[in-house]
Amino acid sequence: NAGVMQNPRHLVRRRGQEARLRCSPMKGHSHVYWYRQLPEEGLKFMVYLQKENIIDESGMPKERFSAEFPKEGPSILRIQQVVRGDSAAYFCASSPPSGGFHEQYFGPGTRLTVT
Amino acid sequence: SQKIEQNSEALNIQEGKTATLTCNYTNYSPAYLQWYRQDPGRGPVFLLLIRENEKEKRKERLKVTFDTTLKQSLFHITASQPADSATYLCALDPSRSGNTGKLIFGQGTTLQVKP
Repeated sequence: NAGVMQNPRHLVRRRGQEARLRCSPMKGHSHVYWYRQLPEEGLKFMVYLQKENIIDESGMPKERFSAEFPKEGPSILRIQQVVRGDSAAYFCASSPPSGGFHEQYFGPGTRLTVT
Repeated sequence: SQKIEQNSEALNIQEGKTATLTCNYTNYSPAYLQWYRQDPGRGPVFLLLIRENEKEKRKERLKVTFDTTLKQSLFHITASQPADSATYLCALDPSRSGNTGKLIFGQGTTLQVKP
């Protein structure tokens, strides 16, 4: 049973470009979460999605960031017009559909570098 | 303000000793706490979850306690080994129900076990 998969593992973008980060949850998991980890800082919640629904996006910056989890295919975190401050590790996690008191299973992360 | 704090200083101990890590929180009433392990360049890995009505939980060489009066969780690794060297994160769901899916993480404590 494959774990949470994220790609690419490393992504380099110039300022002003777009970054697309993909996450495939574990088989049977329908809840997806995105977190950001800045250098020397802790993990910060960004968004919680279920299939075709954004449940909680309270941690998402208001501009340039968006996330989706379509009916088919992986979840996508999209960052438009990247700036140097977006350089970070972005982790996706998933959990099973029953909800409540569930641990989250994390992927290996995508390390975004903005030059 | 709401905070979840872990000792930011690295913990260095000798192999075979017990490591004790602390997680304190302020202005939350979590239904449970979780502990994760994170190795450099990797995503967090779930270790243990303890509910508010549980005083203590064990898993092999790991033990977690949860004191809702002190607003503190302690994480113990007995008979520590160099392979236990990693950063350990505590996390909680900020809602009283513990069912939002959103996890708030501490900054983590890095443990170094010397042979």
